[in-house]
Parts: sequence; C-alpha cells; structure tokens
Amino acid sequence: QQQVKQSPQSLIVQKGGISIINCAYENTAFDYFPWYQQFPGKGPALLIAIRPDVSEKKEGRFTISFNKSAKQFSLHIMDSQPGDSATYFCAASMDTGRRALTFGSGTRLQVQP
Amino acid sequence: DGGITQSPKYLFRKEGQNVTLSCEQNLNHDAMYWYRQDPGQGLRLIYYSQIVNDFQKGDIAEGYSVSREKKESFPLTVTSAQKNPTAFYLCASSNDRGRNYGYTFGSGTRLTVV
Repeated sequence: QQQVKQSPQSLIVQKGGISIINCAYENTAFDYFPWYQQFPGKGPALLIAIRPDVSEKKEGRFTISFNKSAKQFSLHIMDSQPGDSATYFCAASMDTGRRALTFGSGTRLQVQP
Repeated sequence: DGGITQSPKYLFRKEGQNVTLSCEQNLNHDAMYWYRQDPGQGLRLIYYSQIVNDFQKGDIAEGYSVSREKKESFPLTVTSAQKNPTAFYLCASSNDRGRNYGYTFGSGTRLTVV
C-alpha cells in the first residue's frame, strides 16, 4: 500500500529530446506527488510537485502529468540537456497517518550531447 | 548559510560493531528523516521524527535506532543487528512535512562494512 513503482530504471535520451519517467501508486490516500532530482554524491532536491486536483503542472522544461483514475503520474523533461543527467525519484505522501515521503526506486537519466 | 550537515562522509564498520551517523540542521525545521539508498531500490524510510523527543519507525527500522533530544539533531545508530548495513544514508529535514517546500537533504554518509 505504501509502494510507489517507478519506471524505467534507466533512460538514455539525445540532447533536445523528451525524457519521460512514469510512476504508479496503490494507496488512494496519497495526495501529494513530488519529483526529486539527485546528482552523484549529493542529496536529492525538489524539482516539481503536483496535487491530485490538477491533471498537469508545468515549470519551465519540466511537466508533471497526473491521472487520478489510473493512479499514475509522470515527469516529462522537454528539450533535454546534458545538465539534466541525474537520477530522478518520484514520491508520494498523505496528509494524515504516516507523515513522510514514500519514494520510487529511481530512474537514472543520461542525456547524450 | 542554513543547511543540513551529515558526518562523516565515509564510514567503515567492522562486523558486530555499532556506529552512529550524525545529522545536524540549522534550518529550524521541526521534522527530520533518515533514508537508506541502495542501487535500484530508491530511498527507503528508516525513521522519522515530527517533534523533539518523538520518533516513528519507517519501513526498514530493524537494526537501527535514533534519538531526538534536540530540534537540531537526529543521530542514527546502525547496530550489529543490521545484517546488511552497507549503503548510502541520507538525512533530511522539513518544516511542512515536505508538502510545500520539499525536504532539505544532507550530502549523505556512505557506510561500508569491512
């Protein structure tokens, strides 16, 4: 119930292409869905987040798409750049009960120049 | 500058030895968290604390212990009962359970059993 399943495990995209990472969850009590970006040897940092009252949120080149009925959400990185090469984690949390983020397994993105 | 500091950066543990990982924050955050990161498994929650003198087990608390005697500090002890402790350990803090401004993470401690 607490799991968040993330795919793919790794992704190689050409510079200028679109990177897409998908996540799925089971617990319908989840009501907050952030994405974190992690560079090697560093802690993750918040990238963008969405709540289930909207189906899409865009910040610059990063877009979250959210499908409440399917219990899925995805991160789209438009015009991918080599500097976007990092590991990306989706996560989820609820407003009651366990008040901590549950993370997906991570996607290692490599953007080739 | 405000931030969260983890020490040491690298730690080596012998079989049967307890070790303590330090986590200190000067962000005045109420909540603090410990996650373990293994390749291909993402971040798994070990323990978290919403307020001083209170903490809750996460998904993989067995073999670990914590204390929260001060708001700024949340040390993690990896005991000899943890059979596979080699991993990257991340400490985080937040002031809103991470639901508006996200978690602030430290730079991690890499623990290796020798």
